[in-house]
Formats: sequence, C-alpha cells, structure tokens
Amino acid sequence: EPEVTQTPSHQVTQMGQEVILRCVPISNHLYFYWYRQILGQKVEFLVSFYNNEISEKSEIFDDQFSVERPDGSNFTLKIRSTKLEDSAMYFCASSGISSYNEQFFGPGTRLTVL
Amino acid sequence: AQKVTQAQTEISVVEKEDVTLDCVYETRDTTYYLFWYKQPPSGELVFLIRRNSFDEQNEISGRYSWNFQKSTSSFNFTITASQVVDSAVYFCALSYYNAGGTSYGKLTFGQGTILTVHP
Repeated sequence: EPEVTQTPSHQVTQMGQEVILRCVPISNHLYFYWYRQILGQKVEFLVSFYNNEISEKSEIFDDQFSVERPDGSNFTLKIRSTKLEDSAMYFCASSGISSYNEQFFGPGTRLTVL
Repeated sequence: AQKVTQAQTEISVVEKEDVTLDCVYETRDTTYYLFWYKQPPSGELVFLIRRNSFDEQNEISGRYSWNFQKSTSSFNFTITASQVVDSAVYFCALSYYNAGGTSYGKLTFGQGTILTVHP
C-alpha cells in the first residue's frame, strides 16, 4: 500500500540553524501539504502546494519557511533560521486528484530546537 | 473563518463500553468536507472518514459509526464495544471547497480528544 514517507524521524538543531525536512508523497498525488503539531496541541496547517507553487499558506508560514519540490518525488520544507518555538512535530501530507480528497499523512519529523 | 471544536479533552472508558466523541464545526462555506483522523501513541495520523456537506447519511464501518447533523453543525464519532487498541487521540477536521478553485484542501483541526480504553 502506497504511503507518505518522511526523513529524518527526529532532527535536533541549534537555534539559528537551517533545517530541511524531507517528504516523499504518494506517487500519483497532486496536492502536497505541511502541518505542524506542537507537543500536546492540535495539528496546524502551514502550507499547501499544487502545480509547482504554493497555493495557500498560514500566518505561521512566514519568510523563514520555504517549500520546494526539487524533482518528481521529493517535497521539502526548509526553515532558514530556527527558533525555539519551531520545536514541533512536522507532518507532510498528500492527496490525490482533488484537493478535497482525504489527505494521507507521513509519520512526521520531530524537530527539536535547542 | 473555519473552526472545529472538540469539547471533550479526555475520555476514559472501560473496554467494551460504547463511546461517542463530539465534534462541532463552524464555516460559512456551503460546500465543505469533514474528516476524522486517529493519532495512536506512535504519533502518525491515520485517516478514518471523509464526509461532504451534501451527504448527511450516517455511516457505519465495523465498530465505528459517524453521525453528521448539518442542523447542529455536528459530526460525532461513536466507537461501539471499545477496545484497548482504540486508545488514541482523535481529531475532527474541516476543509472547504469553492467553485472559484481557491480552496486547496487546507484542513482545520479541532483540539483533539484523548481516548483511553482500560482493560
């Protein structure tokens, strides 16, 4: 059964460092997303990506964040200069031919900023 | 703006009890989609169900059932004969669609309900 994969599973970084979180969405999906979940809190939308461009982003997704689909399979989230408050679980998701199809989530990357 | 409220923060039951998780939503959109996701202790988010705003039929899948009531803006989830493996955080979520094509599936999640099923 196809699934979304994410690497690494856990990333520890120093404040101010750049991190890149990687995702491989399900291969025939067209819509890609990043969400984050601060420990013990709800899941929050960061950004959606369709047709090689950002289609929607939240207030959280400021200039420190960027996304890219560098090839036909990977989807990355970059945080340029990490802050303590960026510590969270980051989930990648993808959905099929329609944006209102169910989204399938990856296992998440736990980011810890020290 | 869209909002999802799961008023029950935590629920604790004994195995074989039935349990209902409440979800109330707010949206101005006439076409929208409702979802339930399960987050077990391992942390991943597992899709359970999707419902569109035009389909108010209740749905049953094994021990799971969902009650969608547009009149009260609720989309409740019932687990019948709960099992220890049902212990997880359950999230209700909402996305909207508009004919202008400016919706790209953003999910708005509720705060989640922690369900603990004791043996």
